[in-house]
Amino acid sequence: DQQVKQNSPSLSVQEGRISILNCDYTNSMFDYFLWYKKYPAEGPTFLISISSIKDKNEDGRFTVFLNKSAKHLSLHIVPSQPGDSAVYFCAASELRGAQKLVFGQGTRLTINP
Amino acid sequence: NAGVTQTPKFQVLKTGQSMTLQCAQDMNHEYMSWYRQDPGMGLRLIHYSVGAGITDQGEVPNGYNVSRSTTEDFPLRLLSAAPSQTSVYFCASRNSGGGTGELFFGEGSRLTVL
Repeated sequence: DQQVKQNSPSLSVQEGRISILNCDYTNSMFDYFLWYKKYPAEGPTFLISISSIKDKNEDGRFTVFLNKSAKHLSLHIVPSQPGDSAVYFCAASELRGAQKLVFGQGTRLTINP
Repeated sequence: NAGVTQTPKFQVLKTGQSMTLQCAQDMNHEYMSWYRQDPGMGLRLIHYSVGAGITDQGEVPNGYNVSRSTTEDFPLRLLSAAPSQTSVYFCASRNSGGGTGELFFGEGSRLTVL
């Protein structure tokens, strides 16, 4: 039972355009959400997070949007750069710093020059 | 600053063999965890620890043992390896309170069981 779902295994975007990665969750107890980025042969690295008390959080080119009623979050990258090519995982927990973090399957983003 | 260090990076085992994946962190993090990454499945939590002497099961604990005798180390043991345990394993740690609650991951250990 996949509680966090990233339904797009891959996404291809032209350099300079917006990349939008989507994530859905089923557990209504999830209250805190994170995005991680992973390059080949490396461990995931933290990108941005959002608490359910907010509907948007920005950090430079990265913005995460949360629609709690739809149980949906998205990561926007503007403008997209070649270095953004990676696998992106969304993750959820029942509160910030919870002992169990549940990850989605990941979306492979490719930025084309 | 080394962060989270995993060894070995690659390992090939035969079915039934045992081995230990090592994980060490130098950030004085109380919380440590092990995940496995499989195609189409994302990262799944195997075991975690909130401090020395305290461990608990995650989503997929069967076939794995852990112990936490020090804050720095959190080894993952496979007592009798099975082909279903072929995967990439990641160790992660984080602070217990404050901040974003982000996990810091090691580079991963790729295990193949024949």
